[in-house]
Amino acid sequence: EPEVTQTPSHQVTQMGQEVILRCVPISNHLYFYWYRQILGQKVEFLVSFYNNEISEKSEIFDDQFSVERPDGSNFTLKIRSTKLEDSAMYFCASSDQEVKLFFGSGTQLSVL
Amino acid sequence: AQSVTQPDIHITVSEGASLELRCNYSYGATPYLFWYVQSPGQGLQLLLKYFSGDTLVQGIKGFEAEFKRSQSSFNLRKPSVHWSDAAEYFCAVEGAGGTSYGKLTFGQGTILTVHP
Repeated sequence: EPEVTQTPSHQVTQMGQEVILRCVPISNHLYFYWYRQILGQKVEFLVSFYNNEISEKSEIFDDQFSVERPDGSNFTLKIRSTKLEDSAMYFCASSDQEVKLFFGSGTQLSVL
Repeated sequence: AQSVTQPDIHITVSEGASLELRCNYSYGATPYLFWYVQSPGQGLQLLLKYFSGDTLVQGIKGFEAEFKRSQSSFNLRKPSVHWSDAAEYFCAVEGAGGTSYGKLTFGQGTILTVHP
């Protein structure tokens, strides 16, 4: 079965630093997403991306966050100045038009 | 706003026993409903989904779920649990139609432990 690939699996950074989380969605998918799960809390939607622009974003997705599809295969989430509360598992997902999201295995971000 | 409640944080069953994981949702219309499973170190894998039609849906790995509109529930069931089913299970809802395509609201998750 095709997979969504996320790198790195674990990222440690200092507060205030910029981080980029990387994802390779499934090749023929058109819709891309980022979700996150803070330890002990629910998985929550961050942003959806289609046709090279943000379709929808949550209240969490403020100006510190940005997404990009720099080429035909990668999809990235950038956090410009990380805060302690950004520590979470970040999941990338992609889908075709069938509303069946395929999730990656996640990147555990630890902000110290 | 839509919401999902999974009342059981942790369930333990014996291998071979039947399983039912509960999920209740809150949404103004008929939602799209999903169950995902996450094994340690793995991503969220879709078990099954309900969009419309038959309210009993079959999924992968022998799982099924039943949509009950009157109870706002979408419980996940399996007649005989295998040790490999030990994982965390998430119920999720998406508002059908509109602009919230792929914007899922997840429940808290239920951790399933299987005893031999």
